[in-house]
Amino acid sequence: GQQVMQIPQYQHVQEGEDFTTYCNSSTTLSNIQWYKQRPGGHPVFLIQLVKSGEVKKQKRLTFQFGEAKKNSSLHITATQTTDVGTYFCAGPGMQGSNYKLTFGKGTLLTVNP
Amino acid sequence: DAGITQSPRHKVTETGTPVTLRCHQTENHRYMYWYRQDPGHGLRLIHYSYGVKDTDKGEVSDGYSVSRSKTEDFLLTLESATSSQTSVYFCAISDSRRGGTQYFGPGTRLLVL
Repeated sequence: GQQVMQIPQYQHVQEGEDFTTYCNSSTTLSNIQWYKQRPGGHPVFLIQLVKSGEVKKQKRLTFQFGEAKKNSSLHITATQTTDVGTYFCAGPGMQGSNYKLTFGKGTLLTVNP
Repeated sequence: DAGITQSPRHKVTETGTPVTLRCHQTENHRYMYWYRQDPGHGLRLIHYSYGVKDTDKGEVSDGYSVSRSKTEDFLLTLESATSSQTSVYFCAISDSRRGGTQYFGPGTRLLVL
């Protein structure tokens, strides 16, 4: 079945450093979504990328979708303690259904103030 | 938030007892999901529903059943709880107007002794 892999599994940074997490799918995706889960909280939708090579920014967060639509990345510039949490990528399941997502295992980001 | 509530929020039960978790939405979305989240495994889909009385299995459905008699309610039942079902359970809904992005409830922490 479809697999969505994320690396790294964990990342610890000093406040102000940059952070990047990578997502790779075993199949071509119609779109990719990113979610953030704060410690003790629930996953919260951040963004969806649809087009090949698409780049979207949300303040200090930059999201990219690969040209082949099989990989994606999330880059945070100058991390802050508020960025702490687990970042998940997710892609639609087989048969191209947008209603069943396969989630990566996530990257846990910790920030040392 | 997307108007999703889960009950109970915390539950401790004993092995062999039945447990029902409830998910309630106020958004009238067609698709609803149950996930479990465990360390090292990320979010894994248990069951999902694509309409009233229409449900299907996810990747970890063994030991779980679901029911959806109304659009707004999606129930997850553990017929005979086991310690391996100790987990955090999240309900989610899918917004068809936003390409299948999912919105999660606050979660239920279940401990099976």
